[in-house]
Amino acid sequence: AQKITQTQPGMFVQEKEAVTLDCTYDTSDPSYGLFWYKQPSSGEMIFLIYQGSYDQQNATEGRYSLNFQKARKSANLVISASQLGDSAMYFCAYGATNKLIFGTGTLLAVQP
Amino acid sequence: DSGVTQTPKHLITATGQRVTLRCSPRSGDLSVYWYQQSLDQGLQFLIQYYNGEERAKGNILERFSAQQFPDLHSELNLSSLELGDSALYFCASSASVGGWTDTQYFGPGTRLTVL
Repeated sequence: AQKITQTQPGMFVQEKEAVTLDCTYDTSDPSYGLFWYKQPSSGEMIFLIYQGSYDQQNATEGRYSLNFQKARKSANLVISASQLGDSAMYFCAYGATNKLIFGTGTLLAVQP
Repeated sequence: DSGVTQTPKHLITATGQRVTLRCSPRSGDLSVYWYQQSLDQGLQFLIQYYNGEERAKGNILERFSAQQFPDLHSELNLSSLELGDSALYFCASSASVGGWTDTQYFGPGTRLTVL
């Protein structure tokens, strides 16, 4: 069965610095997707970025990039130039057929 | 704003009662998914509908049921409610049948409190 692991329950980062949130996964599927979502304190789940298992290049979306290392089965999220509004819970998710399997999340606090 | 709407935003009810949560997907999306987020279980997939048909089932209790209507909105029915059903319930939608490339966009959630 597929599994997603986020080992950092919480992290601090200074405003304007970059931060990396870790995500590893376990699967024997040849094809899969990896997703990152942001959940602010208001509760909604906001899609940030997607990486397909066959994608040769790391995905980027604005200040978000995904450091995808297929052999290591890791899909770390990098947020550049952190802003106070980035303070939130971040979830990594494995895209299996018909559903997402979520990790336990990392709570990021951006300090001024 | 993801374009997915959920009502109500909050729901407070008593044990043993039945409630209905409603979801409207993004315009053009054919798949609707339901997830439950609780402190002890995290985010768990419940069920998926595609164009009116059930496509996949996750850890959904027998007391829970869902359907997707011809206009593609979906309802999640929770009955014989227990204290442990208190959670944030998300609806998500995606464009197609739900493969590993299909991005799911989430609604704002319905926070259910069972007293």
